[in-house]
Amino acid sequence: QKEVEQDPGPLSVPEGAIVSLNCTYSNSAFQYFMWYRQYSRKGPELLMYTYSSGNKEDGRFTAQVDKSSKYISLFIRDSQPSDSATYLCAMTAVRGSNYQLIWGAGTKLIIKP
Amino acid sequence: GAVVSQHPSRVICKSGTSVKIECRSLDFQATTMFWYRQFPKKSLMLMATSNEGSKATYEQGVEKDKFLINHASLTLSTLTVTSAHPEDSSFYICSARDWTSGSYNEQFFGPGTRLTVL
Repeated sequence: QKEVEQDPGPLSVPEGAIVSLNCTYSNSAFQYFMWYRQYSRKGPELLMYTYSSGNKEDGRFTAQVDKSSKYISLFIRDSQPSDSATYLCAMTAVRGSNYQLIWGAGTKLIIKP
Repeated sequence: GAVVSQHPSRVICKSGTSVKIECRSLDFQATTMFWYRQFPKKSLMLMATSNEGSKATYEQGVEKDKFLINHASLTLSTLTVTSAHPEDSSFYICSARDWTSGSYNEQFFGPGTRLTVL
């Protein structure tokens, strides 16, 4: 079983729709929860990170963490074609003397004009 | 925000040659850099963790003699793919951690290097 599960999609929605992206995880020791956006042939860029259960909002993006269910979500409101990308969830874990990012598979999101 | 650069962005080489990829943190000092490999439509696979001034720590299954990592300074790490073969063709991405950043240990990613071995 993978430590982080994420549906690879693709997820296709019309412009203006609310998008919900999700990840589940199995390791209760994960400390920080991140969402990265990756455009084709580019490196990932950090969108949001959270530490505790609850919601965190930044513009059109809302990150949600439910530690009791080991479930995290990213919501995108008023989705735009420029939001089309692959969204990866990642969580930090201590491995040896370093913090490592444990990645989900990434969900490919397509926003149709 | 912190910027990480990679050079080259794309490289095509013949089988059997060696290729060096550079990763630089441009406006911060990175005590730790990470090297990832990404296959098409797949997530990032951590290859190794590199701490400045010490030997890199390789993930299980990654050949340390094939993927040589050097982290000689707080702003530069290099990955050398030795005796490259077509199966080494991939997208290689580095990231760097700013040791002065917050406790969540954010990693800043480079734009990636597309390696094609003919």
